[in-house]
Amino acid sequence: QLQLQESGPGLVKPSETLSLTCTVSGGSISNSIYYWGWIRQPPGKGLEWIGSIYYSGTTYYIPSLSSRVTISVDTSKNQFSLRLTSVTAADTSVYYCARHLVSSNGFYFDYWGQGTLVTVSS
Amino acid sequence: QSALTQPRSVSGSPGQSVTISCTGTSSDVGGYNYVSWYQHHPGKAPKLMIYDVTKRPSGVPDRFSGSKSGNTASLTISGLQAEDEADYYCCSYAGSYTWVFGGGTKLTVL
Repeated sequence: QLQLQESGPGLVKPSETLSLTCTVSGGSISNSIYYWGWIRQPPGKGLEWIGSIYYSGTTYYIPSLSSRVTISVDTSKNQFSLRLTSVTAADTSVYYCARHLVSSNGFYFDYWGQGTLVTVSS
Repeated sequence: QSALTQPRSVSGSPGQSVTISCTGTSSDVGGYNYVSWYQHHPGKAPKLMIYDVTKRPSGVPDRFSGSKSGNTASLTISGLQAEDEADYYCCSYAGSYTWVFGGGTKLTVL
C-alpha cells in the first residue's frame, strides 16, 4: 500500500523559507505514470494546489506562487520536497503531499499524506 | 485562476440522497472532463471518490456518483450513511497543467 508522509518544521518566521519533504513508501517515486504534488489548506479555507513534479524533474506550479515556489525530487531517497520563500502569515496552512496522475487516463490525486501544519509567526 | 464554488454545507438523513455542486468556468470545469472529488475527514488523508467526472476508483461504494453539466459538476451520495459525514472537495483541471480546487462542502448526516 502506497504511503506518503510529510515532514518539516511546524513553525517558520515571516520572510523566511518554508521547507517540507514528502517521503514515499510502498512504491517508487520513479514510476513513469505519476507526478507528485503539493496541496495546502489554510485554516478554515479550501484546498489549493501548489505544484507537481515528475521524477525527471519536470515541474508545474500555480501561477500565483510560481515566483516563490520550488519543488524538487530525490529519487535515491524516494522523496520530493517543497520550498516556499518569503513566507507571510497567509502561508499558514496544512500542507499535503499527494501522488498525482497526469495522463490521458485522467488527472487526479489518488494517494495523499495526512498533512502537516505549518504556522508562520515570529 | 479562482477557486471553484461549492456550497458551504449540505445535510441529509440516513438513507436519503444529497448532491453537492461545484461551479467553475469554461476555463476549468466546463472546458475539460477532468473533475475529481475528495472526501476528507479532518485529521486524516483526503480520499479520492470520483475522477474524470464520473469514474469511481475501486473500493468506493457505488452510492457515490458524479456528473457534469456546463460549468457545474456534481457529486451525488445516495443511501446516506453516518460515515459519509465529512468535508468534500471538488477539483478540476484548469489548462496549462494547472489544477484548481473548490472551497469545500461540509456534509452533515442528521
